[in-house]
Amino acid sequence: QQKVQQSPESLIVPEGGMASLNCTSSDRNVDYFWWYRQHSGKSPKMLMSIFSNGEKEEGRFTVHLNKASLHTSLHIRDSQPSDSALYLCAASGAGNYKYVFGAGTRLKVIA
Amino acid sequence: NSKVIQTPRYLVKGQGQKAKMRCIPEKGHPVVFWYQQNKNNEFKFLINFQNQEVLQQIDMTEKRFSAECPSNSPCSLEIQSSEAGDSALYLCASSPQGANSDYTFGSGTRLLVI
Repeated sequence: QQKVQQSPESLIVPEGGMASLNCTSSDRNVDYFWWYRQHSGKSPKMLMSIFSNGEKEEGRFTVHLNKASLHTSLHIRDSQPSDSALYLCAASGAGNYKYVFGAGTRLKVIA
Repeated sequence: NSKVIQTPRYLVKGQGQKAKMRCIPEKGHPVVFWYQQNKNNEFKFLINFQNQEVLQQIDMTEKRFSAECPSNSPCSLEIQSSEAGDSALYLCASSPQGANSDYTFGSGTRLLVI
C-alpha cells in the first residue's frame, strides 16, 4: 500500500529562521506532490505543488523534487510565527484521482 | 473563507446513531472527495465522485458509510451506525478536474461519538 512518510514529526525554528520539511513516497507510480498547510482547527490550504524534477519558488516558500528518489522537500525562509501549523505532504500517481497524505510535520516558529 | 461549504461544523452522536454531514463543492468543480482526519492527523480516503458517479471508495465506506452527490443538491456522507472510532474531522474537498489536480478543502465536520 502506498505510503507517504514525512519528517521530522515536529520542528521548532526561531522567527526569521529557515524551516526544512521532508516527504518521501514509497510508490514508484507517484508523479505528483502537493504541500498543504493546516492551521489548528482549520482546513488544509494548498501551498505549492510540484510535478517536475527540480525546484519551484513562490515567495518565502521553495519546493524541491527528486523524482528518482520520490523525495520532495519544502523550505520556508524567514519563518514567521504565523507559519506555525501542520504541514501535510500529499502524493498521487498519473491518472489517480485521490491523494495519499503523510501524517504531517508540525512546525512551531518562536518569536 | 473556504469555497467548499461543509455543514454542520460540529456533530455529536451516541453510539449506534446515524450521523449525516453535507458538502457543497466549489462552483465548477465536478470532482468531490471525502477524507477522515483522525486525532493523530492521519488522513484516510473514504470516497470520491465525479459529478454524481462514484469513482473510488474504500471497504469501510461500503459497509457503514454511505455517500452521494445528487445533481443540484449538496453532497452528503452518512454513517449508518456510529462507533466511537468514527470520532474524527471529516473533510470534503473538490477539484476542477479528475486526476492530479489541486484540491480545495472545506472547513470540515468534527464528529464526536459518545
